[in-house]
Amino acid sequence: GQQVMQIPQYQHVQEGEDFTTYCNSSTTLSNIQWYKQRPGGHPVFLIQLVKSGEVKKQKRLTFQFGEAKKNSSLHITATQTTDVGTYFCAGYSGGGADGLTFGKGTHLIIQP
Amino acid sequence: EPEVTQTPSHQVTQMGQEVILRCVPISNHLYFYWYRQILGQKVEFLVSFYNNEISEKSEIFDDQFSVERPDGSNFTLKIRSTKLEDSAMYFCASSQDRGDSPLHFGNGTRLTVT
Repeated sequence: GQQVMQIPQYQHVQEGEDFTTYCNSSTTLSNIQWYKQRPGGHPVFLIQLVKSGEVKKQKRLTFQFGEAKKNSSLHITATQTTDVGTYFCAGYSGGGADGLTFGKGTHLIIQP
Repeated sequence: EPEVTQTPSHQVTQMGQEVILRCVPISNHLYFYWYRQILGQKVEFLVSFYNNEISEKSEIFDDQFSVERPDGSNFTLKIRSTKLEDSAMYFCASSQDRGDSPLHFGNGTRLTVT
């Protein structure tokens, strides 16, 4: 079945440093979504990427979808303590499937 | 903003007992889901539900599990004869459409099987 790999599993950064998490799918995706889960919370939708090579920005967050629609990245510029949490990518393969396949997530830990 | 609500927030049960986890999806959403997250691990798809029937299920969703939409608002997950390894956070989610649209997750039910 479809697999979504995400690295790194943990990332420690100093506040103000940049952060990037990478996501790779074993199959071509119809779209990819990114979610953020705060400690003790539930996943919250951040963004969806659909087009090959697409780049979207939300303030300090930049999301990219690869040309082959098999990989994606999330980059946070100048991290803040409010960015703490786990960032999950989730791939949708289409073709009648309903469920998203989530990566294992990247736990972002920020040291002040 | 509309929310997905889940009850209870925490359920403790003994091994072998049956549990029912409840969810109220967002009212105008058409697809409903259950996901499971073992502590600190990834979010795993269990089942999706559309038009009053299961539309897709994962390998995890075996005969021990069932889902139901008993009325126009509730969406339940039943686990028969719980096992220790069923201990996890169970998230209900809903979306307007299948995988093309964002999932809205509830706050989850933490199930502890002792």
